[in-house]
Amino acid sequence: NAGVTQTPKFRILKIGQSMTLQCTQDMNHNYMYWYRQDPGMGLKLIYYSVGAGITDKGEVPNGYNVSRSTTEDFPLRLELAAPSQTSVYFCASSSIRLAGGTETQYFGPGTRLLVL
Amino acid sequence: AQKITQTQPGMFVQEKEAVTLDCTYDTSDQSYGLFWYKQPSSGEMIFLIYQGSYDEQNATEGRYSLNFQKARKSANLVISASQLGDSAMYFCAMRGDFGNEKLTFGTGTRLTIIP
Repeated sequence: NAGVTQTPKFRILKIGQSMTLQCTQDMNHNYMYWYRQDPGMGLKLIYYSVGAGITDKGEVPNGYNVSRSTTEDFPLRLELAAPSQTSVYFCASSSIRLAGGTETQYFGPGTRLLVL
Repeated sequence: AQKITQTQPGMFVQEKEAVTLDCTYDTSDQSYGLFWYKQPSSGEMIFLIYQGSYDEQNATEGRYSLNFQKARKSANLVISASQLGDSAMYFCAMRGDFGNEKLTFGTGTRLTIIP
């Protein structure tokens, strides 16, 4: 299994440009998440999805959009890039939780985005 | 709302010594989960250990153990016999009850192991 894969690894955008960050998982997980990590900080949740066709906002959703048409894919869209969106973006996935069971979120390797 | 507090921005520890990384949390959920992740300089997020709020035993995974004190709302990570490869950022995180699947992260502790 490849786990959670993200593309691209690194991207430079000009202000006002748009792009889509791709995320795919091959573990048949229901839950998928997008986080951003600013320098020296922890991760903040942008959007998440509990299944195909269902998405919800996290802590910092402004400036982003998501869709979840399949279980495997959860792309993150930036419509009008701004310097404040310079960050490292992590996609993660997890399975349905079972009471009393160990659980974790599996993270992709991250996408480093620089907006100039 | 959920909150995670990590009060140690950085720590230096001698190799082979044990180290405790502090984490306190706040939530109104009755059921929740606590996680620790390691982020080496390469940037990936590596899951270390998980503790459920109703688990009576402290979680252990190899050299990692989670010192869970529910009444004090603390979930400290203990690394025994530290190694040079343990140098990294460490994040404490929590998720809430069923229906509240989001992970809330602390600001992290940078651990440096000294030879």
